Amino acid sequence: EPEVTQTPSHQVTQMGQEVILHCVPISNHLYFYWYRQILGQKVEFLVSFYNNEISEKSEIFDDQFSVERPDGSNFTLKIRSTKLEDSAMYFCASSPEGSQYFGPGTRLLVL
Amino acid sequence: KNEVEQSPQNLTAQEGEFITINCSYSVGISALHWLQQHPGGGIVSLFMLSSGKKKHGRLIATINIQEKHSSLHITASHPRDSAVYICAAHDIQGAQKLVFGQGTRLTINP
Repeated sequence: EPEVTQTPSHQVTQMGQEVILHCVPISNHLYFYWYRQILGQKVEFLVSFYNNEISEKSEIFDDQFSVERPDGSNFTLKIRSTKLEDSAMYFCASSPEGSQYFGPGTRLLVL
Repeated sequence: KNEVEQSPQNLTAQEGEFITINCSYSVGISALHWLQQHPGGGIVSLFMLSSGKKKHGRLIATINIQEKHSSLHITASHPRDSAVYICAAHDIQGAQKLVFGQGTRLTINP
């Protein structure tokens, strides 16, 4: 069964560094999402992406964040200058329309 | 802004018991998801429903659109059902994004 994959599974970085989180959505899906979950808190929506552009973004998704679909298969989330509070589990999801399929997540730790 | 609330926050039961987890939301939605999150953090989609009831094995999900309420039931619970169960609502207004509840931590003891 096809699944969403994410790399790396864990990332440790220094505050102020740039990180890029990678996702490979399911191949025939049209909608792509990034969510994050700070330890002990709810999962929060960051951004949705459709037809090669951002369709919606949350207040969290400020100028330090960006998304790209560079080659028609990968879907990346870039955090330009990481802060301590960016430490969280980041989930990518994709959907054909409706039901969303989640990747296993990338655990990001900012020191 | 849609608020999604779950109850209970924590639930411990004995193997074999019938489990019910509740979810309520504040504004109209197009659909509701039930998700399962295991200790490693990964999220698995269990159901998406917009009306009535769905069943998959020992899991049953129901939704009442008028009352803005959904329930997840587990029959004949087993220790491997131990996980965090999360409901998440598709906003009618939002472009497919999900609004998540805080999760219910379920522990099934043998």
